[in-house]
Amino acid sequence: EVQLLESGGGLAQPGGSLRLSCAASGFTFNSHAMNWVRQAPGRGLEWVACVSGNGHTIYYSDSVRGRFTISRDNSKNIVFLQMASLRAEDSAIYYCARGRTMIVPRASDYWGQGTLVAVSS
Amino acid sequence: DIQMTQSPSSLSASVGDRITITCRASQPVDTFLNWYQQTPGKAPKLLIYDASTLQSGVPSRFSGSGSGTDFTLTVSNLQPEDFATYYCQQTFSTPPFTFGPGTKVDIK
Repeated sequence: EVQLLESGGGLAQPGGSLRLSCAASGFTFNSHAMNWVRQAPGRGLEWVACVSGNGHTIYYSDSVRGRFTISRDNSKNIVFLQMASLRAEDSAIYYCARGRTMIVPRASDYWGQGTLVAVSS
Repeated sequence: DIQMTQSPSSLSASVGDRITITCRASQPVDTFLNWYQQTPGKAPKLLIYDASTLQSGVPSRFSGSGSGTDFTLTVSNLQPEDFATYYCQQTFSTPPFTFGPGTKVDIK
């Protein structure tokens, strides 16, 4: 059974940092691109970042590029989202999602339960 | 970046109804178009990928069509568990892979 379990969310101050983790199990981890998608309270879905199965191909949304870093550890089946220079508008539930394909996630077929990030002073 | 729009933004329907949601891309995306369903407090669920391919385990009352810039999601014989918000997402070429703003389907 495919499982994705996010952790690391919480309260951060503006300008601060957080690192989100997503532990994956139940599938061949390095055969799938992974991505992070966020959802601000009461708002729609926003794609944030993705990483290829081998970790070599990475993309970011314009809203987080230069502040967030996605990475993965294929020896431990974990994908990370390092978030820095946090802003109030980064407050959201962050979902980890598995891509159906290896290089970029053409569709996301499994999702974690989400982890809540709140940025406030 | 490719922008996605959806119509309507919300609709009211009854159990047993047939509903159609439209998604439009600001430029052609071939058939790289996905549909997701989200119920309150839950993660999104993939319903359809590549515009018309039903994800494993999704009931056949869900169907998708379209290519290029115009796409539709149809739900036939609406069931109580189908009252949710539906999002389209384009995954053409390279990211960012943008989502539409969502269509909320509630009970009439």
